Amino acid sequence: EAEVAQSPRYKITEKSQAVAFWCDPISGHATLYWYRQILGQGPELLVQFQDESVVDDSQLPKDRFSAERLKGVDSTLKIQPAELGDSAMYLCASSSGPGEQFFGPGTRLTVL
Amino acid sequence: GESVGLHLPTLSVQEGDNSIINCAYSNSASDYFIWYKQESGKGPQFIIDIRSNMDKRQGQRVTVLLNKTVKHLSLQIAATQPGDSAVYFCAENKGTGRRALTFGSGTRLQVQP
Repeated sequence: EAEVAQSPRYKITEKSQAVAFWCDPISGHATLYWYRQILGQGPELLVQFQDESVVDDSQLPKDRFSAERLKGVDSTLKIQPAELGDSAMYLCASSSGPGEQFFGPGTRLTVL
Repeated sequence: GESVGLHLPTLSVQEGDNSIINCAYSNSASDYFIWYKQESGKGPQFIIDIRSNMDKRQGQRVTVLLNKTVKHLSLQIAATQPGDSAVYFCAENKGTGRRALTFGSGTRLQVQP
């Protein structure tokens, strides 16, 4: 069964360092989402791509976060510099259209 | 702002009993709802969805009920098993394809053997 792949699964970094997360969506899924999930809460959208274009980044802290999906397939989310409050699970999801989104296993980020 | 929320943060049931997890939503424009299950350290896993033109949908051991009058969504799990122990989230979107999901804060289901 096709799955969304994410790496790394875990990342520990010190504040002010740069981190990057990678996501490979299910093949053929044009829509890709990055969510952030703080422990004990539901996921919250950071950015949504349609193919290689950003369609919603209203909740992305653009002073330190950036995301790209250059060829409309896999995607990278970067944080520079990381802050203590960025510690969370970063989830990638993909969909082929309106409706069900398939989530990856997530990257657990700890900022020390 | 408008949001999706849950009534109970933790639900404890006996193995074999039926479970009911509730969710209130406030965005009357939402026309698509999903229930996800999330186990510790994993990403959310799709359980069942329902569109606003329906009031009930059944899957394997699960049923989702939608009451648009009172903006209430529920997930019923029949014959709850230990493997059902997880956090359950309801989520909504407007079904336009340009809007991501808005999640509630989740309900933890604990199944006692």
